[in-house]
Amino acid sequence: EDQVTQSPEALRLQEGESSSLNCSYTVSGLRGLFWYRQDPGKGPEFLFTLYSAGEEKEKERLKATLTKKESFLHITAPKPEDSATYLCAVPDNAGNMLTFGGGTRLMVKP
Amino acid sequence: DSGVTQTPKHLITATGQRVTLRCSPRSGDLSVYWYQQSLDQGLQFLIQYYNGEERAKGNILERFSAQQFPDLHSELNLSSLELGDSALYFCASSVAAGGRETQYFGPGTRLLVL
Repeated sequence: EDQVTQSPEALRLQEGESSSLNCSYTVSGLRGLFWYRQDPGKGPEFLFTLYSAGEEKEKERLKATLTKKESFLHITAPKPEDSATYLCAVPDNAGNMLTFGGGTRLMVKP
Repeated sequence: DSGVTQTPKHLITATGQRVTLRCSPRSGDLSVYWYQQSLDQGLQFLIQYYNGEERAKGNILERFSAQQFPDLHSELNLSSLELGDSALYFCASSVAAGGRETQYFGPGTRLLVL
């Protein structure tokens, strides 16, 4: 059974203070790893897909990286508007479902 | 805006009742997924339909059922509702089915069972 664990559960940063969020996974075979951002009461918003170890993707202040056991979401010089819950997920063998981690709730204070 | 629409946004009902949640996928997407998000369980996969056919089932209760219609919209039916069914219900869609397909989520329906 696929398992996804995210840490920390919550992270408080000052504006401009860079940090990283961790997503550890245990799967029978990696078929990709997805990162989403979710604002309170809203649907998850797609950020990145990573398919193979060593792959990196960037979007504004966010950079996602992938190894064989974990993925990191690096946030550089965050702003208050980056405050949200960040979720990672892996698809099952047939791509029929996503297994999500519990998320990291990021709070960026001005 | 992901292009996935869900109605209603909010639903308040009583225990024992039945409700229907509706989802319209992004234009061109054939696959629809339903997820439940509660405070203690996180996001959990319920069921997937692909081009009108049930494709996969997750942790979906027997009291819950879904279908996908010829125009590709989908409905999730929840019956004999219990207090514990209170949650956010999300629909997602993708172009096809497969591990490399990105699932785009709708805004969700917040269900409160009193």
